[in-house]
Amino acid sequence: AQSVTQLDSQVPVFEEAPVELRCNYSSSVSVYLFWYVQYPNQGLQLLLKYLSGSTLVKGINGFEAEFNKSQTSFHLRKPSVHISDTAEYFCAVSEAGGTSYGKLTFGQGTILTVHP
Amino acid sequence: KAGVTQTPRYLIKTRGQQVTLSCSPISGHRSVSWYQQTPGQGLQFLFEYFSETQRNKGNFPGRFSGRQFSNSRSEMNVSTLELGDSALYLCASSLEVIPGGGETQYFGPGTRLLVL
Repeated sequence: AQSVTQLDSQVPVFEEAPVELRCNYSSSVSVYLFWYVQYPNQGLQLLLKYLSGSTLVKGINGFEAEFNKSQTSFHLRKPSVHISDTAEYFCAVSEAGGTSYGKLTFGQGTILTVHP
Repeated sequence: KAGVTQTPRYLIKTRGQQVTLSCSPISGHRSVSWYQQTPGQGLQFLFEYFSETQRNKGNFPGRFSGRQFSNSRSEMNVSTLELGDSALYLCASSLEVIPGGGETQYFGPGTRLLVL
């Protein structure tokens, strides 16, 4: 079984400042890692994912994340945030190469609030 | 290409009733997953369907069921509704061409169910 811990439930930040949203996971098997964003009254949208290869993954809207296997972490970063980045962000894992058909295990979410 | 659509968007039911939610995946997607999102439990996987077969199921009581049709559209049903079933129900579809998982799931806007 897998579990995901998002270390901060809320992150306030000023516009144009950098931000890091932290995610740790636990799993006895190899996993794939995802970051999704959810805007109010909408579904989830994929920001980026790590399947294999380079541990630094670049996504949409200027976001990037780094997979650290020894730390079992997958932190999300953006060098300069905009007001429009205000949303809830979810880290998720799925079992790699197994039979976890369609199953994503999500963290509890981090609400990012960007202040002018 | 049209995204994932879910109907209805909002629903109010009373305890003991049953409800059916519908999901139309992105054209060409054959895998459909369902999730329940609540403030207390977060995002939890309900089940996944592929080619009309349920391949995976989360830890929900038997009151929660689903099915998939030959055109990949899916429905989920909740019988004997309880107050705790009030939630946002999200449907996601994926292509399922990557062996062993890692597929991007595309989420619909959800159906918000309120049980009184």
